[in-house]
Amino acid sequence: DTGVSQDPRHKITKRGQNVTFRCDPISEHNRLYWYRQTLGQGPEFLTYFQNEAQLEKSRLLSDRFSAERPKGSFSTLEIQRTEQGDSAMYLCASSLGGTRGEAFFGQGTRLTVV
Amino acid sequence: AQSVTQLGSHVSVSEGALVLLRCNYSSSVPPYLFWYVQYPNQGLQLLLKYTSAATLVKGINGFEAEFKKSETSFHLTKPSAHMSDAAEYFCAVSDSWGKLQFGAGTQVVVTP
Repeated sequence: DTGVSQDPRHKITKRGQNVTFRCDPISEHNRLYWYRQTLGQGPEFLTYFQNEAQLEKSRLLSDRFSAERPKGSFSTLEIQRTEQGDSAMYLCASSLGGTRGEAFFGQGTRLTVV
Repeated sequence: AQSVTQLGSHVSVSEGALVLLRCNYSSSVPPYLFWYVQYPNQGLQLLLKYTSAATLVKGINGFEAEFKKSETSFHLTKPSAHMSDAAEYFCAVSDSWGKLQFGAGTQVVVTP
């Protein structure tokens, strides 16, 4: 197992364009989380899935953001009509679940909106 | 609501000196606490976790942390800093669903 994989690692897009990121969790992990990290800050929770069900969305996740996890495997995070304020590192993590199941993070996707 | 506060956004230590990074938590229930490390343009790597089994927790790379309920603290230490310890360190608290609330981070600089 190669751990949590995110694609792409870097994305530069023009303001107003749509972008989609992909996360492949560790295969047996049933929980998948998305976080956003801006420069000099700790990661902030966006949303998470238990298998294919999206159980919680942060208020940070505006209507322009949508996440899916079809069949409880990989997940995608789409941002529509990107804004400069969306520029950040988007981190995906997965875990086996349960309060003692620590989260394993991917390398992240760095988004720059110009 | 659960939260963590990291004291000191930047710490500079000499190679071979003690590393001490401070974290205080707020939680209405017994907390699950974590320390993660992040190298530039990388994801987060788990250093250690507290899950109520023992108050002194040993992690990777020679790091350890002590849970002190009376002080609501979970400070991270390493007896002797190495150049490779230069990175950003995050303290985090987990809710029952594994959702992490992170502190703002502490940047560690190691000088020769």
